[in-house]
Amino acid sequence: AQSVTQLGSHVSVSEGALVLLRCNYSSSVPPYLFWYVQYPNQGLQLLLKYTTGATLVKGINGFEAEFKKSETSFHLTKPSAHMSDAAEYFCAVSPPLGETSGSRLTFGEGTQLTVNP
Amino acid sequence: GAGVSQSPRYKVAKRGQDVALRCDPISGHVSLFWYQQALGQGPEFLTYFQNEAQLDKSGLPSDRFFAERPEGSVSTLKIQRTQQEDSAVYLCASMKGDRGTGELFFGEGSRLTVL
Repeated sequence: AQSVTQLGSHVSVSEGALVLLRCNYSSSVPPYLFWYVQYPNQGLQLLLKYTTGATLVKGINGFEAEFKKSETSFHLTKPSAHMSDAAEYFCAVSPPLGETSGSRLTFGEGTQLTVNP
Repeated sequence: GAGVSQSPRYKVAKRGQDVALRCDPISGHVSLFWYQQALGQGPEFLTYFQNEAQLDKSGLPSDRFFAERPEGSVSTLKIQRTQQEDSAVYLCASMKGDRGTGELFFGEGSRLTVL
């Protein structure tokens, strides 16, 4: 079974400050890893994903995340927060290619990011 | 269509009523998923379709929940005899392929409130 833990249900940063949203996963095999963002009253949107290859992945809106197998982590970062980054962020894991359920995602509980002027 | 469309966006039901939630996926997308998102929680998997075949329904919480995708396009999630614990946002997502990349495109959700 797979699970995702997001540390901190609420994170508050100042505009221009570093954003760090933490995600740890539990999986019996190396999984695929994702970050999704949800703006109010909108559907979830993919920010970035790790499947294979380079462990540092870059996504939209200046976000990036690094897969660290030894730490079972996939933390999301952005060097400088913008007011428009305020949203809820979800880390998710799925079985790797070959599993029957393919891209069935297991989500964390989410982290609400607030950006203060 | 340009994106995944869900209807209704908001539904209020009295306990015991049946409800039906509709999902129009992106045209040509093979895979379709339903998720349930309770207040303050992450989405939880309900069921998965590959074209018209329901390949995984292990996340459906009870036999009151039923989903179908008869022609491999539009899908309907039906909840019979609704209970208060069914109150949640129901998210539909579609994907172009049948596995692997996990790049799901989500609709805006249908918010169900059971009184």
